[in-house]
Amino acid sequence: GEDVEQSLFLSVREGDSSVINCTYTDSSSTYLYWYKQEPGAGLQLLTYIFSNMDMKQDQRLTVLLNKKDKHLSLRIADTQTGDSAIYFCAEITAGSSNTGKLIFGQGTTLQVKP
Amino acid sequence: EAGVTQFPSHSVIEKGQTVTLRCDPISGHDNLYWYRRVMGKEIKFLLHFVKESKQDESGMPNNRFLAERTGGTYSTLKVQPAELEDSGVYFCASSRPGGAAFFGQGTRLTVV
Repeated sequence: GEDVEQSLFLSVREGDSSVINCTYTDSSSTYLYWYKQEPGAGLQLLTYIFSNMDMKQDQRLTVLLNKKDKHLSLRIADTQTGDSAIYFCAEITAGSSNTGKLIFGQGTTLQVKP
Repeated sequence: EAGVTQFPSHSVIEKGQTVTLRCDPISGHDNLYWYRRVMGKEIKFLLHFVKESKQDESGMPNNRFLAERTGGTYSTLKVQPAELEDSGVYFCASSRPGGAAFFGQGTRLTVV
């Protein structure tokens, strides 16, 4: 079945690195995404990775994909207070690749302490 | 380029009333999706339009929910009659074929 799991809460100090983890069950995932939701705002696409990649870096963001373990992580370097938000992991499976239907996790609330 | 716009941003209605949510996708995006997040849980897919056609409505909870996209532009999601468990945040997203989905700010629906 299709299931995406995330831990619910992460607290870090400003300047530290944050690592948000996600596991999924469907081995046919084609694309995996990270979305960010700031308070009162919509979902902002942060980054995505294709399933044949194992790493993608974009400025302070590093996405790691372990396809064998079905584990995805988002590392934020030099975390700032403005990074405080809910981070959602999402996948598109092979069965949904034609439609673009996203399967989301529950979201991880990142709290950044000054 | 304007993003995905949803209206209203908040709605508080009584059980049994009707509410209509609206979504204006990014211009030129044929794909339009509705999702819902209930009580801090995961965001769940409701349905998918390609232009004016419903491609997948497997996530619609029941027949109290009706989505339309007349003319293939904006979409509406009507809940009639609303129940307490319909409370949540309703997100709309749009995309080009094969492209990433861009989301609106959501409509927070509270049924009391």
